[in-house]
Amino acid sequence: GENVEQHPSTLSVQEGDSAVIKCTYSDSASNYFPWYKQELGKGPQLIIDIRSNVGEKKDQRIAVTLNKTAKHFSLHITETQPEDSAVYFCAASKDYGGSQGNLIFGKGTKLSVKP
Amino acid sequence: DSGVTQTPKHLITATGQRVTLRCSPRSGDLSVYWYQQSLDQGLQFLIQYYNGEERAKGNILERFSAQQFPDLHSELNLSSLELGDSALYFCASSPHAIQGGQETQYFGPGTRLLVL
Repeated sequence: GENVEQHPSTLSVQEGDSAVIKCTYSDSASNYFPWYKQELGKGPQLIIDIRSNVGEKKDQRIAVTLNKTAKHFSLHITETQPEDSAVYFCAASKDYGGSQGNLIFGKGTKLSVKP
Repeated sequence: DSGVTQTPKHLITATGQRVTLRCSPRSGDLSVYWYQQSLDQGLQFLIQYYNGEERAKGNILERFSAQQFPDLHSELNLSSLELGDSALYFCASSPHAIQGGQETQYFGPGTRLLVL
């Protein structure tokens, strides 16, 4: 089955710097790659996602890149702010019988942004 | 607010007991997914229902079961509880279609289960 590896497990940056989190996946049939942000005591919140027919997607300070050949995708956060501090999860899934299959998550990255 | 609701927010029970967790998906979403989050295992997929029918199973124990009702809400039943079942249980929902933007899974706030 699918396996998603995520690095680093912790990341500390200064406010205003960029942060990059990387994930690799094993199942070449995976075609949907969302990123979730989880704050303490809350459920995961989708921040950006990408499908396998797109190489890059950007939403303000957040961007995701996908390399299908290498089977890896990355989250880039620019101009980090203290409120970006949270645990970030990457995930992968594939189509299943006309609906979206379940998500396989990475282990998470705890991002700390120091003011 | 994702639009997915889960009750109860917290649940404390004893080993050997049975509990039921409830999830109401976003309006119009046909798929419901259950995930377990623990410190050592991370976020793990348990089971998916689509329009009332079981669609996929993940690492769900035989002591656990789920169902999705005609109004599309779902319940996760955990029985013969063990200390190791203590975790956060999340429900997520998504629409039927897989066309651009329709596949997003929206997560509820979770139920924190503590088995003593």
